[in-house]
Amino acid sequence: DAKTTQPTSMDCAEGRAANLPCNHSTISGNEYVYWYRQIHSQGPQYIIHGLKNNETNEMASLIITEDRKSSTLILPHATLRDTAVYYCIVRALTDKLIFGTGTRLQVFP
Amino acid sequence: ETGVTQTPRHLVMGMTNKKSLKCEQHLGHNAMYWYKQSAKKPLELMFVYNFKEQTENNSVPSRFSPECPNSSHLFLHLHTLQPEDSALYLCASSQETSGSRAGELFFGEGSRLTVL
Repeated sequence: DAKTTQPTSMDCAEGRAANLPCNHSTISGNEYVYWYRQIHSQGPQYIIHGLKNNETNEMASLIITEDRKSSTLILPHATLRDTAVYYCIVRALTDKLIFGTGTRLQVFP
Repeated sequence: ETGVTQTPRHLVMGMTNKKSLKCEQHLGHNAMYWYKQSAKKPLELMFVYNFKEQTENNSVPSRFSPECPNSSHLFLHLHTLQPEDSALYLCASSQETSGSRAGELFFGEGSRLTVL
């Protein structure tokens, strides 16, 4: 069963913020939201994760709605190297990491 | 550079061959994973090892045989594979297998396997 829903693809202009949405309306109270990305022909790369508070690191910001039914990954200043497939994953602490089909983000000049 | 190294990066083998994929992590992690990524399909978890012990086998056919001699090394032995086994095989490691940090996996760049 898919726990998350993401758009198949998105475009973003270089230098602008990329806002990638994720719907996880059936999320349980003990499940975290994780984001990964996979650049073509490379292994996935961990970006960020959170439970209910917004999180920020050197790569991105994660905004989780108050009801936790959706979240948004924000890349504040997208570059061409951010072109990748972005995966939103919901996971409880004892669960495996299960990848879906993700959002293909294309950053254009 | 993720700290997880996979060799070989590319492998072509016949259906009667025996070959092995190797993964090494330099992160001091205790858990290691094999994932398979076929064309146009999501990553599929194959095996999980924690402190050298296998804790997960996701109904993988016996023609795939993992080996984990220590927490830093993981192998995937391949024999009598089928053309549909052609895929990108990804190794990953994490500090633990449960808890918040268990979701922070570090992946290698993968071994692209073609079975003729």
